[in-house]
Amino acid sequence: TQLLEQSPQFLSIQEGENLTVYCNSSSVFSSLQWYRQEPGEGPVLLVTVVTGGEVKKLKRLTFQFGDARKDSSLHITAAQPGDTGLYLCAGVASGAGSYQLTFGKGTKLSVIP
Amino acid sequence: EAGVAQSPRYKIIEKRQSVAFWCNPISGHATLYWYQQILGQGPKLLIQFQNNGVVDDSQLPKDRFSAERLKGVDSTLKIQPAKLEDSAVYLCASSLVKGQGKETQYFGPGTRLLVL
Repeated sequence: TQLLEQSPQFLSIQEGENLTVYCNSSSVFSSLQWYRQEPGEGPVLLVTVVTGGEVKKLKRLTFQFGDARKDSSLHITAAQPGDTGLYLCAGVASGAGSYQLTFGKGTKLSVIP
Repeated sequence: EAGVAQSPRYKIIEKRQSVAFWCNPISGHATLYWYQQILGQGPKLLIQFQNNGVVDDSQLPKDRFSAERLKGVDSTLKIQPAKLEDSAVYLCASSLVKGQGKETQYFGPGTRLLVL
């Protein structure tokens, strides 16, 4: 059973368009992180959210943690080719008894110039 | 500041052979992680060290995988014998503080393993 479901799996858009990717679960998470991974590289942390309803902005990226801490979204405004990559969400499940970070399968984003 | 270093970057072996990967974390980082990332999936934690002690190895296939961090700095991950399904990217990461899911983990570029 996939603890964190990410959608869509693949997304190809034109430069300048807006997009939203989702990370959903039936479990409650004490914290959730978003990473971006480029080909041949390791993931790079973008943001950590810990409070239900929390919204964080990083330039053109807006991250939201659901009120119930079961889901999260990443919105990119005016996408640029440099945003191309694999976007991964990862979280620590509440009450799991460990702090192990569980990753989703990712959303592969291509921004076409 | 130097990042997490891993070697080799690529490795091709035949099934039943053994292989070892090396990781040098960011200086001063007490916590070190090894992840396995199979194509099309997110990373899966194999083992977590706090200094030279194992914190979590619940998902490490201990019949064939082993890892050590003897002096609390560098770490090696070994597979013996390798199976076809071990083909993946092996990522090493480190963090300054003890892993509680909210800390920043810094990942290395990974070692891409292909088992034929």
